[in-house]
Amino acid sequence: ETGVTQTPRHLVMGMTNKKSLKCEQHLGHNAMYWYKQSAKKPLELMFVYNFKEQTENNSVPSRFSPECPNSSHLFLHLHTLQPEDSALYLCASSPGTGGFYEQYFGPGTRLTVT
Amino acid sequence: SQQGEEDPQALSIQEGENATMNCSYKTSINNLQWYRQNSGRGLVHLILIRSNEREKHSGRLRVTLDTSKKSSSLLITASRAADTASYFCATVLTGANSKLTFGKGITLSVRP
Repeated sequence: ETGVTQTPRHLVMGMTNKKSLKCEQHLGHNAMYWYKQSAKKPLELMFVYNFKEQTENNSVPSRFSPECPNSSHLFLHLHTLQPEDSALYLCASSPGTGGFYEQYFGPGTRLTVT
Repeated sequence: SQQGEEDPQALSIQEGENATMNCSYKTSINNLQWYRQNSGRGLVHLILIRSNEREKHSGRLRVTLDTSKKSSSLLITASRAADTASYFCATVLTGANSKLTFGKGITLSVRP
């Protein structure tokens, strides 16, 4: 148990659906991250938030829309996804975005787009 | 290509043996971190080693860093079946805050 929870753990959605992934951290951290993990590819950073403000968008398509209402919660809103978006989506948090922080990961949401 | 590249891609050993995994990177780093991932789960942080450090220990884990060769190694001593997982090195580039750049990972299988 890392102190970072993600819901749902599994999600199957059609290409025309709209769904949201939720992440919550109970560690008092100020920075939160979304990553995408596809088979046989390195973990890809998608978004970074620090004190609720987005500080990085790693050229992510607009069909992925993040939301960070406070430092403890992070959402990823999904709409009109493509089959290649099927992957494990991981949320992480860290005390800040300074250079020497380790990141704490949630268990991930396994997303399948049909 | 990605910043961190692990070697080998897969490793299978007998319980009790030591496992050595390597990571090479291309550009100047602030620090290097090793993570473990059990199948289909989130990543768990193992060790962070700063660019001015050469070696760190945590329990059965030993990490070395050679900045002149731009490489790091993770040694797991007296391996256990529970060590079976994927292991990733991640680098924080100089000036890149806490942005981690991951490699593709090493799959370690420890046979009972």
